[in-house]
Amino acid sequence: EAQVTQNPRYLITVTGKKLTVTCSQNMNHEYMSWYRQDPGLGLRQIYYSMNVEVTDKGDVPEGYKVSRKEKRNFPLILESPSPNQTSLYFCASSFRDGNTIYFGEGSWLTVV
Amino acid sequence: GENVEQHPSTLSVQEGDSAVIKCTYSDSASNYFPWYKQELGKRPQLIIDIRSNVGEKKDQRIAVTLNKTAKHFSLHITETQPEDSAVYFCAATFSGGYQKVTFGIGTKLQVIP
Repeated sequence: EAQVTQNPRYLITVTGKKLTVTCSQNMNHEYMSWYRQDPGLGLRQIYYSMNVEVTDKGDVPEGYKVSRKEKRNFPLILESPSPNQTSLYFCASSFRDGNTIYFGEGSWLTVV
Repeated sequence: GENVEQHPSTLSVQEGDSAVIKCTYSDSASNYFPWYKQELGKRPQLIIDIRSNVGEKKDQRIAVTLNKTAKHFSLHITETQPEDSAVYFCAATFSGGYQKVTFGIGTKLQVIP
């Protein structure tokens, strides 16, 4: 089954404690990205990757890091989480041509 | 960079009526305009898309129109049903290797039975 899998789905953490949200896709997509969804602000792109070892900043990259060492994986790293990073996060992937973006199920992150 | 504005932010319609959601974009290089539907508690999913070489596309009760000159595109849902209730996002991007996708803020559609 074609899918984008992200973990954890739900997480409550404390300010400053490093965390990683993993993302994996099984569709051999070149393109992967991370979005955060906040009420009234829609989906904002954090980082995206056009292929292995190629990443670039989206609209709201501050406080986040990513890496793309393998084609199927694109983890999102919060080195020192802060309460303003409390949000719903989506990982997504697609082929290079820009057709259908497949989203993961989302990760609810709360930073206290 | 690209900027996508989406209106309205909320929309209530009676079952059976039509719903229209409008988006404008700023970057004339954008050539691919998808629409995503997000049901409550679920992930966004593509429902229809349009490319810049097409002015209109239809899929059953859903249609999308594009005006390249004015840089705006719209989603039209006819004969709305309660299961159409969701948040709808428009997006704009350049399809062909450059993959920064910009989404609108979303429209919460409520279909009243």
